[in-house]
This record gives sequence, C-alpha cells and structure tokens, in this order.
Amino acid sequence: GAGVSQSPSNKVTEKGKDVELRCDPISGHTALYWYRQRLGQGLEFLIYFQGNSAPDKSGLPSDRFSAERTGESVSTLTIQRTQQEDSAVYLCASSSRFLLQGRGWAGANVLTFGAGSRLTVL
Amino acid sequence: AQSVTQLGSHVSVSEGALVLLRCNYSSSVPPYLFWYVQYPNQGLQLLLKYTSAATLVKGINGFEAEFKKSETSFHLTKPSAHMSDAAEYFCAVSAPVGGSYIPTFGRGTSLIVHP
Repeated sequence: GAGVSQSPSNKVTEKGKDVELRCDPISGHTALYWYRQRLGQGLEFLIYFQGNSAPDKSGLPSDRFSAERTGESVSTLTIQRTQQEDSAVYLCASSSRFLLQGRGWAGANVLTFGAGSRLTVL
Repeated sequence: AQSVTQLGSHVSVSEGALVLLRCNYSSSVPPYLFWYVQYPNQGLQLLLKYTSAATLVKGINGFEAEFKKSETSFHLTKPSAHMSDAAEYFCAVSAPVGGSYIPTFGRGTSLIVHP
C-alpha cells in the first residue's frame, strides 16, 4: 500500500481482556517495528522484525505482550490480560533495506510510521 | 548502547523567531541521527537525517540540523518559525546493536508558536 496502515485506530477495552492490534506495512519493506507512546512520553521500542530472521523482542515489557509477522507482510501485536498501564498509542513503522557505501545494509533506514492505534484500558 | 536526550519538553517561540530544539546522543559507534515531526493527530514523519555525509543537514519546511561529534549533539534549527510548525519533534539515534539498527527515540519536544 501507499503507507503504513494500522487498525483499529481506537480501542477501548476492559481490564483483563485481550486485544489485537494490526499493522499493514508498506509493500516491499522488509523491516517492521512496534513502538509504544504513553501520554507525554517518548517512543518506547517493543519489537523488531527483519525479513525471515528471528524477531528482536528485547523491548516487550512483559510476557503478556507478543507479536507475530507472516513473512514480510502484516504484523499483529497481542496484549493479553490488559492492565490500565497498557493504555497508550501503539505505533507501527516499516522500512526498507538499502546499501550505503562503506556501511552495509540497513544502515540509515528511514522509518515510515502508521497513524497508530490508541488503546484505552478501563 | 545508544540513547538520546532532548532538552526541554516544551519550547515556546513567537512567529518569525528562531527555533532551536536541542538533542544530545550517546552511542558507542558512529551513529545515524534523525529528526521526526508529529503534527496533531498524525503519524510521525521524517524531517531530516544525518548519515555521515555533510555535517549540516537540510530537511523539509526550512529546518536544518548540524551534527557535532565533539559535542555529541544534533540540534534542530529554523531561522523563522511559522504557526504551522507547532508540533511534537523527536530526535532519534540509530547504530548497530547486535547487527540490527533499531532507532532509539528521545522523549520529544513540543514546539509552541505564538502569533
């Protein structure tokens, strides 16, 4: 697609429920990132997918959080047993890899962000 | 390890005045540096990037940033602020960690422009 698409744009849920957030990256972008943006705070890295490599899950805050990506397409972020502190805007971004002379692949990858999914846990 | 510090969560300027948003980074290897802008109710978009070519980088909408290695800084400037520049600005650093380039973002600086 022309841009990164995220759904739902807004989700209100009750504490303890599970939620799924979807990200549709730009076609051909091999890298996909999930970040979390809490009110008044910066972007917090959650997870990174690069092609068929094992994802970098080092940013996931707890085992209630998980994400999947099928090949180089859609990704789903799942939050189980939601808590009020999970309330935030969840941002997805994708990027392509390109060769920089002397720097190798994926050196200065520019991220294209979606509009985000705003999650409110009551 | 890499990190970004943006000094000042809010910066307020008058229309036509100089804009200066500060960013300092920490990286154990030469980094790539970025500024992203987030307008109200929109996603983040790239303003400009530094990739080890010219140290003075020009971006969209008249913004520019200068990479200063000795000061580990990448401050964003614009000579004359417009009302339309009001937005949240994020500085980001990207350096290889375990073979991956995962950008680390600062906390953001909200630019307020007064008429």
